[in-house]
Amino acid sequence: DAKTTQPPSMDCAEGRAANLPCNHSTISGNEYVYWYRQIHSQGPQYIIHGLKNNETNEMASLIITEDRKSSTLILPHATLRDTAVYYCIVRVTSSNTGKLIFGQGTTLQVKP
Amino acid sequence: DSGVTQTPKHLITATGQRVTLRCSPRSGDLSVYWYQQSLDQGLQFLIQYYNGEERAKGNILERFSAQQFPDLHSELNLSSLELGDSALYFCASSADLIGNYGYTFGSGTRLTVV
Repeated sequence: DAKTTQPPSMDCAEGRAANLPCNHSTISGNEYVYWYRQIHSQGPQYIIHGLKNNETNEMASLIITEDRKSSTLILPHATLRDTAVYYCIVRVTSSNTGKLIFGQGTTLQVKP
Repeated sequence: DSGVTQTPKHLITATGQRVTLRCSPRSGDLSVYWYQQSLDQGLQFLIQYYNGEERAKGNILERFSAQQFPDLHSELNLSSLELGDSALYFCASSADLIGNYGYTFGSGTRLTVV
């Protein structure tokens, strides 16, 4: 399984962009990068995913490097409600299962 | 409401007991996944079912078992409970076997073993 490495914690000022990095140097060519977040003890919430192109939706943008060994999740205008644990996940496809393997994630604290 | 329903939301039970957690997947989803999240721990994958069949196993204890029924709802059975089994248990569903169309998580069942 491809492993991901994320900083354990980050701070961001409210209204500023939050850039959350993720390293996944062993990612395979057909594995997607997913981002989820978990606010307090709620169920994880889907944010965005991508294969090799940059992706944008109403919540965030995902920038994947050309060699696909790392990516950055960008929350363009962070609010206090964005305080959460953010998980970068590489979806396992090699074993014919859709299981997601979560790492420890990055705890993002958005400060006023 | 994510569309994935987990019951009960909270459960308190004694050591040595057995409990059943229930998950109803989002309408039309064929895969169900179970995850365990202990205090200050990340989400640990337990097991996946697809259309009634077990498809993947994580670090699931032998005291734990699961099944998916013909109506696609799933149950996670935890027996001989220990204090360390206290955790949040999440269920997720996806439309297909490998999650091509994304995943939806439920709000979890908080199990407290006393």
